[in-house]
Amino acid sequence: KAGVTQTPRYLIKTRGQQVTLSCSPISGHRSVSWYQQTPGQGLQFLFEYFSETQRNKGNFPGRFSGRQFSNSRSEMNVSTLELGDSALYLCASSLYGATGEQYFGPGTRLTVT
Amino acid sequence: QKEVEQNSGPLSVPEGAIASLNCTYSDRGSQSFFWYRQYSGKSPELIMSIYSNGDKEDGRFTAQLNKASQYVSLLIRDSQPSDSATYLCAVTPPFGNEKLTFGTGTRLTIIP
Repeated sequence: KAGVTQTPRYLIKTRGQQVTLSCSPISGHRSVSWYQQTPGQGLQFLFEYFSETQRNKGNFPGRFSGRQFSNSRSEMNVSTLELGDSALYLCASSLYGATGEQYFGPGTRLTVT
Repeated sequence: QKEVEQNSGPLSVPEGAIASLNCTYSDRGSQSFFWYRQYSGKSPELIMSIYSNGDKEDGRFTAQLNKASQYVSLLIRDSQPSDSATYLCAVTPPFGNEKLTFGTGTRLTIIP
């Protein structure tokens, strides 16, 4: 069974721009969660989508948004990028939801200059 | 107090010895507990999950959970250089807060 895939793997953006990241979960998994990982803050939960509905949200500003499609693929969007948004963005899929076993994709490394 | 705490390390263990990684959590009603391994430059990989008090063994890995003392640990027997990585503890808080909370990780180095 194929794992979680994320595209693109690397991105360099300028402050003020916006970015869209994509995630395809493991086949059969309907839950997709997004995390931000930085050296200082560790892994921080952004939000979870299950069957196209956002079920949970972490403590991030509204510039961070997401959506999920009927095939469970998910996108995350960050608008008005700030230098502090530079991080590894990880997508994780799960059979049961954000509180169950999470299987992570390889991540998207975002650098904001 | 952080919700999930781990010693950041680095923890250095000789090859062949037992590596012991510890994690404490603050919410007494926490339900599920996970250990992830993250190699440098890679994404976290689930290696163990534990839900009830006691020990759970999987190959060279043993997870131990003590809900009364609010700690969960991971033992790695016969440590190998390939075990060198950062180990993340993740906890599911009580109902109503439906997300995993991760510790900041313990960096483990196995010395040949």
